[in-house]
Amino acid sequence: ELKVEQNPLFLSMQEGKNYTIYCNYSTTSDRLYWYRQDPGKSLESLFVLLSNGAVKQEGRLMASLDTKARLSTLHITAAVHDLSATYFCAVKSTGYALNFGKGTSLLVTP
Amino acid sequence: DAGVIQSPRHEVTEMGQEVTLRCKPISGHDYLFWYRQTMMRGLELLIYFNNNVPIDDSGMPEDRFSAKMPNASFSTLKIQPSEPRDSAVYFCASSFPRQGHYGYTFGSGTRLTVV
Repeated sequence: ELKVEQNPLFLSMQEGKNYTIYCNYSTTSDRLYWYRQDPGKSLESLFVLLSNGAVKQEGRLMASLDTKARLSTLHITAAVHDLSATYFCAVKSTGYALNFGKGTSLLVTP
Repeated sequence: DAGVIQSPRHEVTEMGQEVTLRCKPISGHDYLFWYRQTMMRGLELLIYFNNNVPIDDSGMPEDRFSAKMPNASFSTLKIQPSEPRDSAVYFCASSFPRQGHYGYTFGSGTRLTVV
């Protein structure tokens, strides 16, 4: 069974600081996703990573994938309040379903 | 494109009642997924369909849950009888997994409260 683990589960950080969220998964997969969810809202797609060494960047967020280590990271640069949300990584299983991590609740404070 | 459309947005029902959640996938998407989100268990896959055929229903909690996809533009998730522990947000998602198309689009969710 494919297991996806994220850490930390909760993160409080000051504006302007940098931090990294980690996502480990247990079995080989050819696709990893990062989603953002605001309170009471749906999941918004941020990145899809398709190959070893893939790196994607959007604004203050950068995601990378190491398929050999079965590890993805989501790096936050110079955090701002608008980035406060819950971030999920999801890994495509052998079928087409996505297995989600528990999510990282990020709070950016002044 | 209107995206994945779910209804109702909110549902409050009494224990023992039947509940039906509805989903309209994005036109042309041939995969449809039902997920349940709770604080304790996170996002769990309940069932998914390909070309209207159920492929994996191993996540359906018990016989009280059933899902159908009578055509490419409509799916239902039914709970009968409902119980308080079924209270959660239920998301529907659709995708079209072909070369160059890797996205999964989620609906706005149905927040179910069983009292």
